[in-house]
Amino acid sequence: AQSVTQLGSHVSVSEGALVLLRCNYSSSVPPYLFWYVQYPNQGLQLLLKYTTGATLVKGINGFEAEFKKSETSFHLTKPSAHMSDAAEYFCAVSEGNTPLVFGKGTRLSVIA
Amino acid sequence: DTAVSQTPKYLVTQMGNDKSIKCEQNLGHDTMYWYKQDSKKFLKIMFSYNNKELIINETVPNRFSPKSPDKAHLNLHINSLELGDSAVYFCASSRGQVDEQYFGPGTRLTVT
Repeated sequence: AQSVTQLGSHVSVSEGALVLLRCNYSSSVPPYLFWYVQYPNQGLQLLLKYTTGATLVKGINGFEAEFKKSETSFHLTKPSAHMSDAAEYFCAVSEGNTPLVFGKGTRLSVIA
Repeated sequence: DTAVSQTPKYLVTQMGNDKSIKCEQNLGHDTMYWYKQDSKKFLKIMFSYNNKELIINETVPNRFSPKSPDKAHLNLHINSLELGDSAVYFCASSRGQVDEQYFGPGTRLTVT
């Protein structure tokens, strides 16, 4: 069965600094990988997803993630953090015809 | 227009009561889901329906019963509410199981 580990339940960065949120997955087949963002008191919103093809995936709001099969990782990055990026971020994995399995989330704080 | 809507947004009730949460999507999606998010933000799938048919039923007490009257609606009925049922419940929909899921705003259930 697939699983997701998000390293760091809380990450704090300065405004303008690089954002790096880590995600490692376990899957017995080529995975489908997702990053979702949850702003306070809202539902989840898709940032980006990897299914097949190019391993560097660009998403909304300047975020991108790179699928690295050898490292079983799908880390999320953004070159320059904005105050509006403060939110909870979830990595998720699916093996195709299986439900999404979410990581435990990483809370991103952005310091002015 | 709201893509995935849930009612009510907040629900406060006493132990032992029965309550329902309604979900509607206007995206024309075939697949709908119910998730439970606990106080630590952990998100776990409860049910999934495809074209009104139940396809995923995770380990959930049988006090929880989903009902899909048509493809656009998936309601969640909970009998004999317990303190441990307090959480935020999210409805979501997607075209298929590997496609982006669109989440509703959530229903915060508090059982006293």
